[in-house]
Parts: sequence; C-alpha cells; structure tokens
Amino acid sequence: QTVVTQEPSLSVSPGGTVTLTCGLSSGSVSTTNYPSWYQQTPGQAPRTLIHSTNTRSSGVPDRFSGSNLGNQAALTITGAQADDESDYYCVLYMGSGVSVFGGGTKLTVL
Amino acid sequence: EVQLVESGGGLVQPGGSLRLSCAASGFSFNSYWMDWVRQAPGKGLVWVSRINSDGSSSTYADSVKGRFTISRDNAKNTLYLQMNSLRAEDTALYYCVRYNWNSDYFDYWGQGTLVTVSS
Repeated sequence: QTVVTQEPSLSVSPGGTVTLTCGLSSGSVSTTNYPSWYQQTPGQAPRTLIHSTNTRSSGVPDRFSGSNLGNQAALTITGAQADDESDYYCVLYMGSGVSVFGGGTKLTVL
Repeated sequence: EVQLVESGGGLVQPGGSLRLSCAASGFSFNSYWMDWVRQAPGKGLVWVSRINSDGSSSTYADSVKGRFTISRDNAKNTLYLQMNSLRAEDTALYYCVRYNWNSDYFDYWGQGTLVTVSS
C-alpha cells in the first residue's frame, strides 16, 4: 500500500522561510496526483491552503506557495509568522476515487 | 455561505453501529461530491469515503471497506455515513467535507462529530 510521506516536524524562525515536502513511498508525485495542502491548528477544523500543486485557495496569504520539487510536492512558507505554527497535511489523489493524506508536519515557529 | 454541520456522533460499544449525518447549506448540494475524513485523538487526518453528486458511485478507504456505507439525500441536502461493526480504532472526530472533483481537493470542512467506540 502506497504511503504519503511528510516530515514529522520542522521549525522556522519568525520571518524565515521553510519548505514542507510531500512524497510517495514508491514512485514520484506528479500533477495527476493533484497535490493539495491543509493547515490545522489545535481544536480547529482544517483549512484549505493549496490545491492542484500550486493554486492558493481564496483568502490564503501569498506567503504560502506550492510547487513540485522533482519527485515531491512542496509547500513553502516565506516570511513565517507566529500564527503559522500549525500542523500541515498534504493530500494526494491516487486514482479510482481514492485520496490519501500524509502523516502531517508539525511546524514550530521559534 | 457554505455550511456543513455534522451530527450523530457519540459513545458506542465495539461491534455496534452508528449513523452520522451532515446537513449542508449555502451551495447546490446536488452538484457536489462529498467526503468523510476522520481524525483519531492526537493523530493525523485520514480520508474515509467519497460519494459522487447523484449518489450512484462511492469509494472507501481499505480500513472501513465492507463496514461503512456513505450515502446522500439530495432532497434533504444531507450526507450520511452508516458505520457498522465498529472497532476501538474507529474512535475519531469525523469531518464532513465538500470535494471539488474538478481539481481533486477538499474545499470546505465541517467542524466534526466525535465517535467513541468503547465498552
């Protein structure tokens, strides 16, 4: 069974830049996986950030950007702020009506 | 404004059943695919199930296949998840989510309903 991989945790300094990645245990992430990214703070429902690799959802600040890093999808936060401290999840579409979440990345801003 | 309001969660014994509901408003419910996503306490998000706009097609995660059934009533703007043969590992917050099938992503989320499977 294919697993979607993410860094368990990352840290960034306020004002700094951090890149979170989303990969596959076997194979490369492609545009046909339609990578999407979600932010979740404790006790809250997830918020949609990015879809289709690099399209920001309505209202999402432009310091959040999505890209493809060769064989992985990536979410980059430029100019990190304290309230960016959250859990971040990527989702890949695996075909046949099935989507799979990554395990999530806990981002600390310190 | 899009609203998704889940209900039906609660405490159930292992092997028992529960039906979750999700009342949708603020959009043309019968035009959208819908999903259920769950999150065990302190754990990550896990996709559970998907249903197309007219209810004729559905898919499931392997962990719930054969035990859970997703359905919808477009006349009532309501999504359902029938959960049978419940196990302790099904304990989670269950989110109702609108799925954008054009770009394969989740665009609106409910606040979730908690299911606890315990004796």
